[in-house]
Amino acid sequence: AQRVTQPEKLLSVFKGAPVELKCNYSYSGSPELFWYVQYSRQRLQLLLRHISRESIKGFTADLNKGETSFHLKKPFAQEEDSAMYYCALRIQGAQKLVFGQGTRLTINP
Amino acid sequence: GAGVSQSPRYKVAKRGQDVALRCDPISGHVSLFWYQQALGQGPEFLTYFQNEAQLDKSGLPSDRFFAERPEGSVSTLKIQRTQQEDSAVYLCASSYRVRGRTDTQYFGPGTRLTVL
Repeated sequence: AQRVTQPEKLLSVFKGAPVELKCNYSYSGSPELFWYVQYSRQRLQLLLRHISRESIKGFTADLNKGETSFHLKKPFAQEEDSAMYYCALRIQGAQKLVFGQGTRLTINP
Repeated sequence: GAGVSQSPRYKVAKRGQDVALRCDPISGHVSLFWYQQALGQGPEFLTYFQNEAQLDKSGLPSDRFFAERPEGSVSTLKIQRTQQEDSAVYLCASSYRVRGRTDTQYFGPGTRLTVL
């Protein structure tokens, strides 16, 4: 079965420091990978998707099929980045998303 | 425009009661999804509709869970004889699926169900 693993439930970094949220997946086909973010008291929203290959709010993520990873990175963290981050996978031919358990990112001033 | 809306936002039920959770998707969105999010976990897929057709219900945990979307717009998730393990946030998402391409899922605020 497909699975998404986010090994860190909590991650705390200082403002201005680099941040990396890890995501690994298990799927033998061609996946579509996403990062969703949930800010405090807001709904879950799409941050970025690997097929877009774009940077959103300074975040980037590269799909590494060899390591089956899709880590989220930002070179200089900002306080407003504090949120819950979920990595998600969609397999070929399906519509549903398979989510990881999430990482709570806290940016300290 | 308005996003996905869900009602009620909070629901407390006694064990054994039936509950009905409503989702209003974004107007024109063909696809509608239900997810269950237990405390401290990521969302887990329950079921998927394309218009009024329920194309995937593989995630429904038991036959106590039932979902419908009779006119291809509003959807209702019904849970019969609620159990304590049903306590979770129930998320609805919709997307405008274009043939041959999948699109972003937009999530509602969720309904927090607490079963006592």
